[in-house]
Amino acid sequence: DVKVTQSSRYLVKRTGEKVFLECVQDMDHENMFWYRQDPGLGLRLIYFSYDVKMKEKGDIPEGYSVSREKKERFSLILESASTNQTSMYLCASIDQGLATEAFFGQGTRLTVV
Amino acid sequence: GENVEQHPSTLSVQEGDSAVIKCTYSDSASNYFPWYKQELGKRPQLIIDIRSNVGEKKDQRIAVTLNKTAKHFSLHITETQPEDSAVYFCAASRGGATNKLIFGTGTLLAVQP
Repeated sequence: DVKVTQSSRYLVKRTGEKVFLECVQDMDHENMFWYRQDPGLGLRLIYFSYDVKMKEKGDIPEGYSVSREKKERFSLILESASTNQTSMYLCASIDQGLATEAFFGQGTRLTVV
Repeated sequence: GENVEQHPSTLSVQEGDSAVIKCTYSDSASNYFPWYKQELGKRPQLIIDIRSNVGEKKDQRIAVTLNKTAKHFSLHITETQPEDSAVYFCAASRGGATNKLIFGTGTLLAVQP
């Protein structure tokens, strides 16, 4: 059974804290993504990575950074958390071929107070 | 940048009726169009997809159509059932090394028994 696992289901952090969201996949996929899900806005791409140490900005990268030191792990970093970063964060991975299914993690509900 | 528009944002139908969700994409190089279903509290999962060399694809009660000229694609659900109630996301992708999925804003489908 394929798996994408996010380190936390729920997280509460204070404004200004540095926050790490971890994602691990066991499918040997090259590409990994971080999305943010907000009501009415769908799944918005924050960053994606197509290889180890390679990353590209998505549509809403401001306030976030990422790290991919190993193929199976993709981390999202909030350098200084703010209340407008309260959201559901979803990690996904996909093979680089065409017409391949993306697999999602269970999501991390982050609340910044 | 790439953009996918999705309509309607909410859709309420009676059990047994049909439901149609429509998407428009902006990137002419997109050649893969999946649909994901997200039930309440769960992760998005692929339900059907279509490649650009195909105009229509059907899987039991769900079907997807693609008009490449107009850059439109649609999801059709027939004989809706209460378990079809969920948020549905369309997406578009180019495939390849920079295979990233750009999602629409989602449609909340409610099937009334």
